[in-house]
Amino acid sequence: DAGVIQSPRHEVTEMGQEVTLRCKPISGHDYLFWYRQTMMRGLELLIYFNNNVPIDDSGMPEDRFSAKMPNASFSTLKIQPSEPRDSAVYFCAIGQGHTEAFFGQGTRLTVV
Amino acid sequence: ILNVEQSPQSLHVQEGDSTNFTCSFPSSNFYALHWYRWETAKSPEALFVMTLNGDEKKKGRISATLNTKEGYSYLYIKGSQPEDSATYLCAFQGDSNYQLIWGAGTKLIIKP
Repeated sequence: DAGVIQSPRHEVTEMGQEVTLRCKPISGHDYLFWYRQTMMRGLELLIYFNNNVPIDDSGMPEDRFSAKMPNASFSTLKIQPSEPRDSAVYFCAIGQGHTEAFFGQGTRLTVV
Repeated sequence: ILNVEQSPQSLHVQEGDSTNFTCSFPSSNFYALHWYRWETAKSPEALFVMTLNGDEKKKGRISATLNTKEGYSYLYIKGSQPEDSATYLCAFQGDSNYQLIWGAGTKLIIKP
């Protein structure tokens, strides 16, 4: 997991505030994924990128969610405005072709 | 709709006993089947990526088999230890894109 660094590790914010989650993957992987984990739904794919280009964002729950990957070593997931139901653990993962995915440690988001 | 099912949902096993659980997935458009181990408060860790029908992979006391024609995979743990306690996730990967379709997981609890 040292190959994917996520920040912050924990975020507590008030409803209505903007939240930005960050992911810094090591180089050499063509794919980057953002997942959300909740007790109710388990691990859900939100969006994934191939060579920095968003390929499938059908998992993004609403227009309040947006993700960018300006370069191969940085990606952000933004929620604006945040709501209590967005509280979850958000994972960033990387992969190369059809091989295993490597996950970051996750960001635990709490919206109060 | 692609469906990945894991059973049982949870499992209590006495330390030293062997155990196994199942992942069912679509038998068409198959490319790979992934197994991940997910400990509480950590990120998912890849165990196996299996691509060939009849394949069997082993890592220490953990092994997995794959039947792509009937759409199932078994994960076996021999001589369970307390450190094996975790949620075991499987994910199906189709041959059209790289998206992983996740099962809900089997939560394994080893009783000392």
